[in-house]
Amino acid sequence: GENVEQHPSTLSVQEGDSAVIKCTYSDSASNYFPWYKQELGKGPQLIIDIRSNVGEKKDQRIAVTLNKTAKHFSLHITETQPEDSAVYFCAASLGANNLFFGTGTRLTVIP
Amino acid sequence: GAVVSQHPSRVICKSGTSVKIECRSLDFQATTMFWYRQFPKQSLMLMATSNEGSKATYEQGVEKDKFLINHASLTLSTLTVTSAHPEDSSFYICSARDVPRETQYFGPGTRLLVL
Repeated sequence: GENVEQHPSTLSVQEGDSAVIKCTYSDSASNYFPWYKQELGKGPQLIIDIRSNVGEKKDQRIAVTLNKTAKHFSLHITETQPEDSAVYFCAASLGANNLFFGTGTRLTVIP
Repeated sequence: GAVVSQHPSRVICKSGTSVKIECRSLDFQATTMFWYRQFPKQSLMLMATSNEGSKATYEQGVEKDKFLINHASLTLSTLTVTSAHPEDSSFYICSARDVPRETQYFGPGTRLLVL
């Protein structure tokens, strides 16, 4: 089955700096890679996703890159703000079916 | 994005009782919904896949007789934790697959505490 690894497990950045979270996956058949933000006591919120037919996608301060050959994808948050503080999960799946999640990254943005 | 609701948001029950959690897709039809369990500071663990009009598919190690899943309509799936015990205390989260958008959206979660 699919195995998704995520690094780092914790990340602290100063407000205004950039944050990068990296994930690798094992199943070359996976073609859908979403990123979720989870705040304390809440369900995961989809913030951006990418499919295997593109290498990069951007939405305002958030971008995701995908390297299919190396089987890794990354989340980039620029100009971080305190409200970006949360746990971020990457996931991989085939066609948005069973999602295989990474172990999560706790991001803290220091004002 | 699409909206998925869960009810109740939190429940406290006595050991031995059953608890039902509802998951609804509010603005799209979901032939497939998923139930996850999350322990503190851990990732989401898939428990089962709920398919409208058919039996749920359970992940290895998840007792189907303890965690009853019903997906009777295209917008509603329910998870019933039967004869709950303290070790069942957890954060239960559902998600719904939006087929046209090929995306999964998550509900806000249900915090279950079994005394």
